[in-house]
Amino acid sequence: ETGVTQTPRHLVMGMTNKKSLKCEQHLGHNAMYWYKQSAKKPLELMFVYNFKEQTENNSVPSRFSPECPNSSHLFLHLHTLQPEDSALYLCASSRQGGLHNGETQYFGPGTRLLVL
Amino acid sequence: QQPVQSPQAVILREGEDAVINCSSSKALYSVHWYRQKHGEAPVFLMILLKGGEQKGHEKISASFNEKKQQSSLYLTASQLSYSGTYFCGTEMSATDSWGKFQFGAGTQVVVTP
Repeated sequence: ETGVTQTPRHLVMGMTNKKSLKCEQHLGHNAMYWYKQSAKKPLELMFVYNFKEQTENNSVPSRFSPECPNSSHLFLHLHTLQPEDSALYLCASSRQGGLHNGETQYFGPGTRLLVL
Repeated sequence: QQPVQSPQAVILREGEDAVINCSSSKALYSVHWYRQKHGEAPVFLMILLKGGEQKGHEKISASFNEKKQQSSLYLTASQLSYSGTYFCGTEMSATDSWGKFQFGAGTQVVVTP
């Protein structure tokens, strides 16, 4: 138990559906991250939020839309996804968004997404 | 720019040692090591911030050679609980990629009785 929770844990959706992934951290951290983990590929950093502000978007397609209403919650809104978007989506948090200062990230259990 | 890990996989008997390497083509500010067990989230092991620094986590230790832009993770007297996929994450310090953080593809470790 890392103090980072994600819901749902599993999600199956059609390409025309709209769904949202939720992440919540109970660690008092100020930075939150979305990662995509596909089979046999490295963890891909998608978005970074520091103090509710988006500070990094690694060329993620617009069909993925993040939202960070406060430092404890992070959402990933999904619409018109493609089958190749099927993956494990991991949320993480760190104290102050200082990966640049060698901060530890605490990961949630992930949402396993299947796009049909 | 993604760090390169080697080997891709290693099988050990309990009690044996192994080394996992992580190399970057860019100058590094820090190296992070995580372990992910099947079906679970990655879990932090250690961060190395200074060149030449060595850190340890139980019988797992790591070194960081800033000049060679690489880090090595040492699994000593491996235990069954060490099984999992080990990822290095590197933060770059080069001017054109300062602060960029990326994970390697991972090294799968299987420890057998």
